Amino acid sequence: GESVGLHLPTLSVQEGDNSIINCAYSNSASDYFIWYKQESGKGPQFIIDIRSNMDKRQGQRVTVLLNKTVKHLSLQIAATQPGDSAVYFCAENIWSGGYQKVTFGTGTKLQVIP
Amino acid sequence: NAGVMQNPRHLVRRRGQEARLRCSPMKGHSHVYWYRQLPEEGLKFMVYLQKENIIDESGMPKERFSAEFPKEGPSILRIQQVVRGDSAAYFCASSPLDYTDTQYFGPGTRLTVL
Repeated sequence: GESVGLHLPTLSVQEGDNSIINCAYSNSASDYFIWYKQESGKGPQFIIDIRSNMDKRQGQRVTVLLNKTVKHLSLQIAATQPGDSAVYFCAENIWSGGYQKVTFGTGTKLQVIP
Repeated sequence: NAGVMQNPRHLVRRRGQEARLRCSPMKGHSHVYWYRQLPEEGLKFMVYLQKENIIDESGMPKERFSAEFPKEGPSILRIQQVVRGDSAAYFCASSPLDYTDTQYFGPGTRLTVL
């Protein structure tokens, strides 16, 4: 859903530990999900995606899990590094009227403690 | 392959002036999306354009805001008679012609209205 002026939730993780960032999406018709990473002063950067016919997808140090039953998405980052500090957004895509419409979640700020 | 380009990166305007934000999509991309982001918030969809066509402008204010994506040249987001509430980061994203779902973001334009 859309943010309405709330401060971003923050997750603090020790360097080297694993991070889990959660996201609840709103529309059961959503068929494609993306995680973006946004560093301070920069645009969002694609990390990993998953389609609704999958429940898990792995990338380099990142794993996305999709639970359609409870409309929940998570991003797991293994061996978190200082460079992982950023705001992470999940986005859900819905095909509507012949094109995709993207709705971003409110975001979670990840702080990595050295 | 150069990424999505936006300029200017920073724009300062006084109340009542006009702001013009430019976006050059990635090479080969003919779909452009504009988003607005307030500090500590998520991205809010404004408008989706294809070459010479506005597909969805449901997120754009009816007054003072307009967008175009001409056959030649960058996409332009235009804000007339800016007010302090227009201060935000404006991001442009692009996606390829062939309905590939992922949107790739530019670095954003940070608009400050004095």
